[in-house]
Amino acid sequence: QPVLTQSPSASASLGASVKLTCSLSSGYSDYAITWHQQQPEKGPRYLMRINSDGSHSKGDGIPDRFSGSRSGSECYLSISSLQSDDEADYYCQTWGTGYRVFGGGTKLTVL
Amino acid sequence: EVQLVESGGGSVQPGGSLRLSCAASGFTFRNHWMNWVRQAPGKGLEWVAMIKQDGTEKYYVDSVKGRFTISRDNAKNSLYLQMNSLRAEDTALYYCARDLGAGGGVWGQGIPVTVSS
Repeated sequence: QPVLTQSPSASASLGASVKLTCSLSSGYSDYAITWHQQQPEKGPRYLMRINSDGSHSKGDGIPDRFSGSRSGSECYLSISSLQSDDEADYYCQTWGTGYRVFGGGTKLTVL
Repeated sequence: EVQLVESGGGSVQPGGSLRLSCAASGFTFRNHWMNWVRQAPGKGLEWVAMIKQDGTEKYYVDSVKGRFTISRDNAKNSLYLQMNSLRAEDTALYYCARDLGAGGGVWGQGIPVTVSS
C-alpha cells in the first residue's frame, strides 16, 4: 500500500497564499489523491481530487481560492487569499482495491 | 442535501461491544462504497473499514480484523459498524464517509467512542 507524507505544520499570513505538499511513496507516484479539510472541532470536508495527469476536480461549493496540482509523486494543495477560517488540518488521501490511506495531515496556521 | 449522521457511540469497558450506525440521505446510498474512519484524540485520520455497494466485499485495517464488522442495509439507507473486544486504543471519534475514492467524499459529523475501565 502507498504511504502519503505531509509536513506536520505550515503557516502563512492573512491574505497571502500557501502551497501544501503530499508525497506519494515509491511505486505509487501515479496514484490519484484527494484533499480534505478539517477545521477545529469539526468533521472533515472533501475539497478535491487530483488525478494522475495533474488535473483536479473540486467538491461542491469549494471556493476558487483552492486549487490542486502535482509534479510526479508530489501533489499540492494551493490556497490563495488566505482567510482566518482556512486555519485547519489538511489531509491527503489515496485509495486502491481494499484500502484507503491518509497522510498524517498538515496543520495550517493563518498568522 | 447530502447528509451522513452517525449514532450509537458512547463509553464502554475494555472487552465490551458497541454498534455504530450511520443514516444516509440526499443521495442514492446503494450506488456508493461506504467507509468508517476514526480519529484518536489529538491524532490524524485512520481508515477503519469499507463495504461495497451491494455488501459483497468488505475490507478492514489490520488492527480491527476479527473484532469489527462493517455492514449495510440499502433498504434503510444505513451503514453499521459492530465493534467487539474493544480496546483502549479504539478510543476515537468515528466518522462515516462516502466513497473516499474516485467518487470524491462526503463525511458525517462523527460520533465519540471511549473505551476505558
